[in-house]
Amino acid sequence: AQSVTQLDSHVSVSEGTPVLLRCNYSSSYSPSLFWYVQHPNKGLQLLLKYTSAATLVKGINGFEAEFKKSETSFHLTKPSAHMSDAAEYFCVVRAAGNKLTFGGGTRVLVKP
Amino acid sequence: GAVVSQHPSWVICKSGTSVKIECRSLDFQATTMFWYRQFPKQSLMLMATSNEGSKATYEQGVEKDKFLINHASLTLSTLTVTSAHPEDSSFYICSASAGGPQEQFFGPGTRLTVL
Repeated sequence: AQSVTQLDSHVSVSEGTPVLLRCNYSSSYSPSLFWYVQHPNKGLQLLLKYTSAATLVKGINGFEAEFKKSETSFHLTKPSAHMSDAAEYFCVVRAAGNKLTFGGGTRVLVKP
Repeated sequence: GAVVSQHPSWVICKSGTSVKIECRSLDFQATTMFWYRQFPKQSLMLMATSNEGSKATYEQGVEKDKFLINHASLTLSTLTVTSAHPEDSSFYICSASAGGPQEQFFGPGTRLTVL
C-alpha cells in the first residue's frame, strides 16, 4: 500500500526567501510521485512529477523536488517565494490503476 | 495541459434531495475518470474510479448506492449524490485521464452544501 506524509501542515515564509515543503512516502515498489498546487476555488495544478528518471525534477514556476530513495523523501523547494505562491500544496503518490494517494497538504503563507 | 470542467461549481440543496454533478473533459477523450471528496481543511480522498462504459469501482467505505457514478461517454462522467444529508456537504473534485498511467487532469471542483 502507498502512503504519503507531509510533515508540515502550514509553512510561513517571507517573499523572496526560500520555500521548503517536506514529503515522505511509503511504497512497496518504485513509486511515481507528484506535487500539486491548489489555489482557492481553482482546480489542482501539477507542479512536477517523478517517474523513475532523473532524481532532481524541475517543475513550473521555479519549483523543483528531489527524490531520495534512501530517505523515502520527495521534498519540494523554491529558491525565492512569490506572493502568488500562497496556496495549498499536495504531495501525491501513484499506485496501480493510476490511483493517486494524497498527502494531508501544506498550506503556504507568503508574507510581504 | 488538458482542460476538465465541472458543473455546477457550487450547489445548495435540501436534505433528502438528490444532486447531480457533471465532469467533462473538453479537449481529450477521458477513458478513465476519478471522483474525489475533500472536506474543509483536509486532503483529497478518492471515492471511485470509472472507466467509460463500465461500472465504477468504489473505494472502501464509499456507498455505491448513495454516490451513483455514470461514465457513459469519453468526455462526460456524472456523480449523483442521492438522498443528500448535511454530512455529505463537501468539495467534490473529478479528474480525467486518457487511460493507463496517463496524467490526471483535475476539474475545478463542486462545492455541495446540504441544508
